[in-house]
Amino acid sequence: DADVTQTPRNRITKTGKRIMLECSQTKGHDRMYWYRQDPGLGLRLIYYSFDVKDINKGEISDGYSVSRQAQAKFSLSLESAIPNQTALYFCATSDLDGGIRTQYFGPGTRLLVL
Amino acid sequence: GDSVTQMEGPVTLSEEAFLTINCTYTATGYPSLFWYVQYPGEGLQLLLKATKADDKGSNKGFEATYRKETTSFHLEKGSVQVSDSAVYFCALEYYGGSQGNLIFGKGTKLSVKP
Repeated sequence: DADVTQTPRNRITKTGKRIMLECSQTKGHDRMYWYRQDPGLGLRLIYYSFDVKDINKGEISDGYSVSRQAQAKFSLSLESAIPNQTALYFCATSDLDGGIRTQYFGPGTRLLVL
Repeated sequence: GDSVTQMEGPVTLSEEAFLTINCTYTATGYPSLFWYVQYPGEGLQLLLKATKADDKGSNKGFEATYRKETTSFHLEKGSVQVSDSAVYFCALEYYGGSQGNLIFGKGTKLSVKP
């Protein structure tokens, strides 16, 4: 499985602050993703990247931006955090496994915006 | 558009009970289907997958069969253990404008009592 790490694991911030969540992976997978998880809503896709020069908006990209600094690194930024961005954020990578594109998730970052 | 609907939880069972978590989907074409599991405090892990009608995915005693006629992919286990307590997500691979992305259900929390 991909070794996907996320930093920080927990973060408390105040409304209006800019914060960055970082994700790195060690398996050389081409695609990377950012999701947020809210109780009762499942996972929703924020941004995804097919490679360093190919970044795409997901279902709920408003208020977020991303940077793919290298194949192994994909950062998510909240330019001006607001309380309804309080959620659990997951980074994921994907690779073809037996012809099926399978996703591998990091451990998550729990964000609280006060 | 494509979507996944899974039974709402929480589901509480006694150890060694039979488990079924229902999942139905709406999709154009024939998507691949997945079950992911999220243990407390962790990211999602792939549990099993199926790529075409009548395929059965299986892992760790869990099974799910891709039923095209009923557009379903129900998760089953014959005898659950306390260690199976987790949140289970059904997902389909979406081919719209972004090949290989996943659409997740809202998740079903399972609690198994000794």
